[in-house]
Amino acid sequence: AIRMTQSPSSLSASTGDRVTITCRASQGISSYLAWYQQKPGKAPKLLIYAASTLQSGVPSRFSGSGSGTDFTLTISCLQSEDFATYYCQQYYSYPPRTFGQGTKVEIK
Amino acid sequence: EVQLVESGGGLVQPGGSLRLSCAASGFTFSSYSMNWVRQAPGKGLEWVSYISSSSSTIYYADSVKGRFTISRDNAKNSLYLQMNSLRAEDTAVYYCARDAEWFSGDYYYYYMDVWGKGTTVTVSS
Repeated sequence: AIRMTQSPSSLSASTGDRVTITCRASQGISSYLAWYQQKPGKAPKLLIYAASTLQSGVPSRFSGSGSGTDFTLTISCLQSEDFATYYCQQYYSYPPRTFGQGTKVEIK
Repeated sequence: EVQLVESGGGLVQPGGSLRLSCAASGFTFSSYSMNWVRQAPGKGLEWVSYISSSSSTIYYADSVKGRFTISRDNAKNSLYLQMNSLRAEDTAVYYCARDAEWFSGDYYYYYMDVWGKGTTVTVSS
């Protein structure tokens, strides 16, 4: 099974900061990657699919890049509503449709 | 409004069974594949199972294979997860999620674009 490893596991940042989260696949997955945001007690929300395509309605401060094994999620100007946990997920080879372990973005 | 609503969670003893349901509305349910995803308390997301729109293709995570059965009734716009031989480690919030696809170039890309709010399953004596 393909393993997805996110880094860091958590980070502290201030409103207005640029934040980058990395997701690494244990083998090449082309661009078959999605990013989700989850707030406490809420369901996950799709942010990006196909590694870099922004889901409708998601603010443009979110962007995704990468292909193969290394991917990044960038928040260009962190807003208060962006403090949450972010997950990557691969769709290249399944089952299973593996998630990364998550990256918690906290207020500094 | 596109919506998924899970139900059927609760407290069950180890070794017991539970059937989760997911009611879909606001979209053509029969056109979409569906998933179950779970989240143990304080833990990350774990994909559990997938079923294609016609039920012809079904996948399970190794952790539930042989114990859980996914099914759907397109006439009732409903998705199900029959959970047997439950263990303490199955304790989690269970989400149903719609599987969307996007065709670009020569490839189909997949992602879960609509999620329910989840139903809580607690396995404990």
